[in-house]
Amino acid sequence: EAGVTQFPSHSVIEKGQTVTLRCDPISGHDNLYWYRRVMGKEIKFLLHFVKESKQDESGMPNNRFLAERTGGTYSTLKVQPAELEDSGVYFCASSPYEGYTEAFFGQGTRLTVV
Amino acid sequence: AQSVTQLGSHVSVSEGALVLLRCNYSSSVPPYLFWYVQYPNQGLQLLLKYTSAATLVKGINGFEAEFKKSETSFHLTKPSAHMSDAAEYFCAVSDVYGNNRLAFGKGNQVVVIP
Repeated sequence: EAGVTQFPSHSVIEKGQTVTLRCDPISGHDNLYWYRRVMGKEIKFLLHFVKESKQDESGMPNNRFLAERTGGTYSTLKVQPAELEDSGVYFCASSPYEGYTEAFFGQGTRLTVV
Repeated sequence: AQSVTQLGSHVSVSEGALVLLRCNYSSSVPPYLFWYVQYPNQGLQLLLKYTSAATLVKGINGFEAEFKKSETSFHLTKPSAHMSDAAEYFCAVSDVYGNNRLAFGKGNQVVVIP
């Protein structure tokens, strides 16, 4: 069974450009999460999808970030326009159903804004 | 709100020596507690978890952790370090509602000295 897949693995963009990160959860997992780790800081929760609905987006830093999960399968996280402070590693995780006590993580996307 | 404290960003341990990584949590509701490991160029992998059953939890690769409510701690140990244990370790907390919204500590980068 394939795990959580994220791509690209690395992205380097200039300030002001747009970047879209993609996450493919484990097949059949209803719950999908985005997290971010800024250098030197802890991994922080961004948002949580249940199928295609946003369950909790309280961790999204500002309106330059837009997450979608059309059809309840893969998810995208778009940053527009990117700022220097958006640099970091973006992790995606999934879990099969509400109450399941483990989230399965992808390898992360390292975003560098220059 | 929930939070985790991990002290000492870098931990050096001799091969064959005890590995001890400390984690203290804060939670207003009964917690679920996790240790994740990130090997170089890989995603986060679950080492072990506490979900209100046995307080001594055994995980993969010889690691274990003990939940101590009175000390609000969930320290990770391994009796004998191996070179392959070199990685970054994260403690995380969520609540008993199983929503997998995790609050992470800052992580411990473990270096194993031959």
